[in-house]
Amino acid sequence: QVQLQESGPGLVKPSQTLSLTCSVSGDSVGSNSYYWSWIRQHPEKGLEWIGYVFYSGTTFYNASLRSRVTISLDTSKNQFSLKLDSVTAADTAVYYCARVQLRLTAPGNRAFDVWGQGTTVTVSS
Amino acid sequence: QSALTQPASVSGSPGQSITISCTGTSNDVGGYRFVSWYQQHPGKPPKLIIYEVSDRPSGVSNRFSGSKSGNTASLTISGLQAEDEADYYCSSYTSGSTFVFGGGTKVTV
Repeated sequence: QVQLQESGPGLVKPSQTLSLTCSVSGDSVGSNSYYWSWIRQHPEKGLEWIGYVFYSGTTFYNASLRSRVTISLDTSKNQFSLKLDSVTAADTAVYYCARVQLRLTAPGNRAFDVWGQGTTVTVSS
Repeated sequence: QSALTQPASVSGSPGQSITISCTGTSNDVGGYRFVSWYQQHPGKPPKLIIYEVSDRPSGVSNRFSGSKSGNTASLTISGLQAEDEADYYCSSYTSGSTFVFGGGTKVTV
């Protein structure tokens, strides 16, 4: 049973860097069968895809956030991380980490098949 | 990259069928079979209910079905039940190797 768990500060000051970690159990972030992704949801709003990292370290980001976001892997800890620079109140949201299945023969190909519970981040002074 | 277009809300009576549309472009919905749908209850993370346009993960009710025509994908919920009241989101893989979500649809039973 694969499980993802987000962790990090729940409160970040404006202009600072938001840093979150997703701990993965039951699977390996070093596997070439998945993308490891971050998604956020503003209060009472829809889902916004932030980006993903592949086992090789290759990353793809939402164009609207690309200049501020970094997603990276730590295979030794079986974790992946999100850093978002120069945050403002508009970055206040619930942040989810999720797995994207890449195996053609597995259910959920190119879909977010496993999600963390989400962590609320508030940007405020 | 613009979000996919979904109706803000759809409602139906118990036992009825409803359909939620998800409109994109040839660079996302129209160009790939990698359209997925998610159900989200309040305070919970989204749950995958449809992938690759019309496939259901194990354990998802067969009352949920998906289809696609051109740049528009659709989710149909048949035999509507009270527990189906939730927010529903579509998502698509894109030509830029990225993903995009729809704005979400609130289903009221």
